[in-house]
Amino acid sequence: DIQMTQSPASLSASLEEIVTITCQASQNIGNWLAWYQQKPGKSPQLLIYGTTSLADGVPSRFSGSRSGTQYSLKISRLQVEDIGIYYCQQASSTPRTFGGGTKLELK
Amino acid sequence: QVQLQQSGAELVKPGTSVKLSCKASGYTFTSNHMNWIKQTTGQGLEWIGIINPGSGGTSYNVKFKGKATLTVDKSSSTAFMQLSSLTPEDSAVYYCASRGEFGVEGFFAYWGQGTLVTVSS
Repeated sequence: DIQMTQSPASLSASLEEIVTITCQASQNIGNWLAWYQQKPGKSPQLLIYGTTSLADGVPSRFSGSRSGTQYSLKISRLQVEDIGIYYCQQASSTPRTFGGGTKLELK
Repeated sequence: QVQLQQSGAELVKPGTSVKLSCKASGYTFTSNHMNWIKQTTGQGLEWIGIINPGSGGTSYNVKFKGKATLTVDKSSSTAFMQLSSLTPEDSAVYYCASRGEFGVEGFFAYWGQGTLVTVSS
């Protein structure tokens, strides 16, 4: 199985700050990488797919990038509604696997 | 709009089975594969498997083979997951998820609200 190692596990940031979360794949997954946001008591919501494509309705302050097998999610100006847990997920092969999550809190 | 409506919370005894449902609407049910995903505090998100509603073909995560059985009822646009020989380790929130009619296979654009399964005597 492909392992997805996400960091940091938790992150505290201020409003309007730039936030970056990373995900390291254990092998080449190309651009088969997605990011999800989950708020308490809710289902995960797709933010980015194909490494860089924004899902419908997702604000443009979210962006994704890749360097080799390391993937990043960037929030350009943190807003209150961005608080939650973020997960990466690979879709290169089955079983689909997820990162362990990054809990994003307000400082 | 695409909606995945899951069945309600279950409290079940160890050693028994439970069948969860996921009713799809807003798209052609047989055109999209349906995935099932387990979420626990300790293990995070785990992909259980996928079913092709059109053919009934399935693919499982090896970890869940023998534990989960995926089926569909095309007449009601409903996907099912049966979990057998339940243990406390099966206590979790279970989601159905799909790419949606215009999405990319492998990415989960639509999720059900989740079904909490609690295994306890």
